[in-house]
Amino acid sequence: NAGVTQTPKFQVLKTGQSMTLQCAQDMNHNSMYWYRQDPGMGLRLIYYSASEGTTDKGEVPNGYNVSRLNKREFSLRLESAAPSQTSVYFCASSEEGFNSPLHFGNGTRLTVT
Amino acid sequence: QKEVEQNSGPLSVPEGAIASLNCTYSDRGSQSFFWYRQYSGKSPELIMFIYSNGDKEDGRFTAQLNKASQYVSLLIRDSQPSDSATYLCAVNKRSYIPTFGRGTSLIVHP
Repeated sequence: NAGVTQTPKFQVLKTGQSMTLQCAQDMNHNSMYWYRQDPGMGLRLIYYSASEGTTDKGEVPNGYNVSRLNKREFSLRLESAAPSQTSVYFCASSEEGFNSPLHFGNGTRLTVT
Repeated sequence: QKEVEQNSGPLSVPEGAIASLNCTYSDRGSQSFFWYRQYSGKSPELIMFIYSNGDKEDGRFTAQLNKASQYVSLLIRDSQPSDSATYLCAVNKRSYIPTFGRGTSLIVHP
């Protein structure tokens, strides 16, 4: 009963390095999301994917890219990490429909020095 | 004006009391409303959602929605120390993608 699985759980990068955050869900959900959470800022949407093969920008997409590899997997890439990207990143998935809640992964705590 | 607003708190209540958490939203076209609970260092988890005006009860939790006044609230009856967490309000506007408030920190003290 895995739900939404994110890797890694923790990561430290130096400014300018790149990395990919992985996310997979086993609930057969069409929609997947990437959020970042900073103290006092709540959850802010980076990118989302309504279905396999589609991706769209959210509120704070600059400095990130995403790939919806298949229905299960949705990855987030930082091409050149910056200290402003230090945050906790959550992947989530949901069924379609207005009343569908989000199911969150356990998060990735990223520090960029 | 932020699209979804919550008082950051902390809201401190004694054990056994009713905790009242409030959320206001700006888009009158908003369709559905969610409350998530987030313990420190953990991911958000759904408590309940509501989409019709009025009250919706689930155990010790009651969500209240007033679309005319554009607010949604969460009442927690018989509050327990284990309810101490941050409570996030999320609103689905004209799409299925939720916008989150910044969360209210609740502390239930023995």
